Amino acid sequence: NAGVTQTPKFRVLKTGQSMTLLCAQDMNHEYMYWYRQDPGMGLRLIHYSVGEGTTAKGEVPDGYNVSRLKKQNFLLGLESAAPSQTSVYFCASSYSGRNTQYFGPGTRLTVL
Amino acid sequence: SQKIEQNSEALNIQEGKTATLTCNYTNYSPAYLQWYRQDPGRGPVFLLLIRENEKEKRKERLKVTFDTTLKQSLFHITASQPADSATYLCALESSGGSNYKLTFGKGTLLTVNP
Repeated sequence: NAGVTQTPKFRVLKTGQSMTLLCAQDMNHEYMYWYRQDPGMGLRLIHYSVGEGTTAKGEVPDGYNVSRLKKQNFLLGLESAAPSQTSVYFCASSYSGRNTQYFGPGTRLTVL
Repeated sequence: SQKIEQNSEALNIQEGKTATLTCNYTNYSPAYLQWYRQDPGRGPVFLLLIRENEKEKRKERLKVTFDTTLKQSLFHITASQPADSATYLCALESSGGSNYKLTFGKGTLLTVNP
């Protein structure tokens, strides 16, 4: 099992550009999450999904959109990137909301 | 609002000693608490989960306590080794209606010196 994988690993964008981060899990988990991690701020939840076709806002959702068209995939989109979105993004999945979360390796995004 | 504090940003100890990390929370009544380990450039990895009705949980050299009266969890690593050097995160259950999710502390960077 690959666990949780994230694509790409690194990306540099210019302000105003758009991109999509892909998260995939092969553990048949219902719940999936997108976090961002910044120095001194810890992990903050952006959006999450409790099942295929559902999404919900987390703590810091502004400037991001998500989709969960297939159970194994959770996409995070930035429509118009801003320097404030420079961060490391982690995807995670869990069997249910009250279970252990399994994290991907992260995507380091720089917005110039 | 809910708040989680991991009291030390960084902790340095000598190899062989016991490391004790603290996680305090306010305005919460979580049913459980989790601890994760994060190495540089990697995603967090789950270590232990403790429920509100459990005072203590152990796994090999790791021990977690959960005091719901003090609103505090302590994470201990006994006989610490340089390989235990990492950032340790505590995470508490938070609910958004019927959907449960985790809120993470900012982490404590543990360095074990040989």
